[in-house]
Amino acid sequence: DTGVSQDPRHKITKRGQNVTFRCDPISEHNRLYWYRQTLGQGPEFLTYFQNEAQLEKSRLLSDRFSAERPKGSFSTLEIQRTEQGDSAMYLCASSPVGGRDYGYTFGSGTRLTVV
Amino acid sequence: TQLLEQSPQFLSIQEGENLTVYCNSSSVFSSLQWYRQEPGEGPVLLVTVVTGGEVKKLKRLTFQFGDARKDSSLHITAAQPGDTGLYLCAQRENTGNQFYFGTGTSLTVIP
Repeated sequence: DTGVSQDPRHKITKRGQNVTFRCDPISEHNRLYWYRQTLGQGPEFLTYFQNEAQLEKSRLLSDRFSAERPKGSFSTLEIQRTEQGDSAMYLCASSPVGGRDYGYTFGSGTRLTVV
Repeated sequence: TQLLEQSPQFLSIQEGENLTVYCNSSSVFSSLQWYRQEPGEGPVLLVTVVTGGEVKKLKRLTFQFGDARKDSSLHITAAQPGDTGLYLCAQRENTGNQFYFGTGTSLTVIP
């Protein structure tokens, strides 16, 4: 296993367009998380899945954002009607279930620029 | 959402110097982690701690955790250019599974 993969690495889109990002977690990891990071800030929690169930969503996740993990493996994050404020690095992470010592394994992120 | 404050926000030092960065929480944490992030990449986990008063060492990095589990420090001895990056602490609430991150300390080690 090569770790957490995110695709694409970079995305430039015009305001108002829809975009979709994909995350492939480590195969043995049941939990998958999405975070957003803007320049000079730490990652902000968006949502997380345990297997295919979406267990929590942040208030940051407006109705323009939707995330899925249909078969409990890869996940997608879609942003509809993008706005310039959506420009950020979108990070995906995975972790195994159980134990407080387990940290995240992050992907390299998808850098979104809305012009 | 818990508030995690990290200080200093920026730090620039010469190779070979020692440094300490700090992470303070507004509440008791269930567990705390330190990550390092390089530009254009995701954060990489350095250490996890769950016990108040705990000290962990990772080569030239020493992590200390407050007895009250509300604060933590990271000390780097004889810094090297490869230590350059954004150091993030992350806290998990007692009731949740997700971690909340601080704003980070951006470290630059000058050769």
